[in-house]
Amino acid sequence: DTEVTQTPKHLVMGMTNKKSLKCEQHMGHRAMYWYKQKAKKPPELMFVYSYEKLSINESVPSRFSPECPNSSLLNLHLHALQPEDSALYLCASSLKVGGAEFFGPGTRLTVL
Amino acid sequence: AQSVTQPDIHITVSEGASLELRCNYSYGATPYLFWYVQSPGQGLQLLLKYFSGDTLVQGIKGFEAEFKRSQSSFNLRKPSVHWSDAAEYFCAVGAASGGYQKVTFGTGTKLQVIP
Repeated sequence: DTEVTQTPKHLVMGMTNKKSLKCEQHMGHRAMYWYKQKAKKPPELMFVYSYEKLSINESVPSRFSPECPNSSLLNLHLHALQPEDSALYLCASSLKVGGAEFFGPGTRLTVL
Repeated sequence: AQSVTQPDIHITVSEGASLELRCNYSYGATPYLFWYVQSPGQGLQLLLKYFSGDTLVQGIKGFEAEFKRSQSSFNLRKPSVHWSDAAEYFCAVGAASGGYQKVTFGTGTKLQVIP
């Protein structure tokens, strides 16, 4: 199993909603990442987890809350988002922290 | 802080022709370097990476890249392009940050392949 899965594929939410994005890998990777990608732009790093601990937070607003319940699972909890947060959210993993190697297909988020 | 420049926003090549995508980086020490490919609406796929050692790196799908420290470059090459190679290509540089690698992406090069 050499893939990163993400659910849901698409998500539409209002500014007062609470939702969560889920990411899973079963490759034994100990580093997991969240990226945000706006249309026609490169991915921007949001968070890095290493051995289930938050290692890097790229000054992301608190309305985005990451969680790593175990070594295979990474969540991104969303609350009170703004329309400008609409983007493709990518999860990635690597054997250790040294650059993301396997990306999931992403969740296309639309905030109304 | 590290940075990556991909000078070509858009490149068009004929199928079967050779390809070279340019990437220049700025970083004070030896960087970690990556090339990714992204098809429309998809996630990214790692083509190859350079951490150390041999400066000519072989990747998947017939791609290779050469690290040239003197030119601060990490250009991606393929001898014969296939129509399925049409996609967006991102070069990225990783730099040590508090014991971890912070990866910064270039702005991407969109490759169009014509018959």
